Amino acid sequence: NAGVTQTPKFRILKIGQSMTLQCTQDMNHNYMYWYRQDPGMGLKLIYYSVGAGITDKGEVPNGYNVSRSTTEDFPLRLELAAPSQTSVYFCASSYSARQEDGYTFGSGTRLTVV
Amino acid sequence: AQKITQTQPGMFVQEKEAVTLDCTYDTSDPSYGLFWYKQPSSGEMIFLIYQGSYDQQNATEGRYSLNFQKARKSANLVISASQLGDSAMYFCAMREGLWGGSEKLVFGKGTKLTVNP
Repeated sequence: NAGVTQTPKFRILKIGQSMTLQCTQDMNHNYMYWYRQDPGMGLKLIYYSVGAGITDKGEVPNGYNVSRSTTEDFPLRLELAAPSQTSVYFCASSYSARQEDGYTFGSGTRLTVV
Repeated sequence: AQKITQTQPGMFVQEKEAVTLDCTYDTSDPSYGLFWYKQPSSGEMIFLIYQGSYDQQNATEGRYSLNFQKARKSANLVISASQLGDSAMYFCAMREGLWGGSEKLVFGKGTKLTVNP
């Protein structure tokens, strides 16, 4: 099982550039999430989705956009990158009916904005 | 208000000893789930253990157990017989409203555990 796959693993952006972080899961999970982790901190929720076509804001959504056209994919779009968006980004997925299985995380994308 | 509080920024333990990592939470929802994750230096997030608010017994998974004290709103992680590979960041997390409520998992700031040989 591939689980949750994130690409790219590393990226350096210049201020004002845009990019899309890709996230794909093959576990048929209905819930998907994007988190960011700043150095020495816990994870903060950016956006989440409870199913294809449904997305909602998390704690820190400003500067980001998402879409969920299929169950498998949940890309995160950064528009007009800023140094404050330098962080490690994690995509995660879960199956709503089985909380005890936890959330499955991707390996992360380390983004630096210079 | 902070939902998840981990008061120990860092903890040290000798190999083969047990260690307890503290976590307190804040919620008024009667149905919630508590999770612990491990993040080694390589960066991935590894799910360790889950406790539901209505579960009658404390959760256990191998060397990991969760000391769930509902009245005190605490969900401490106990690692028995520590190993060098246990050195990592440990995060406590909570999801409220397990049935038709919030779908969001909220994390604490983490505790860095170092296991000494």
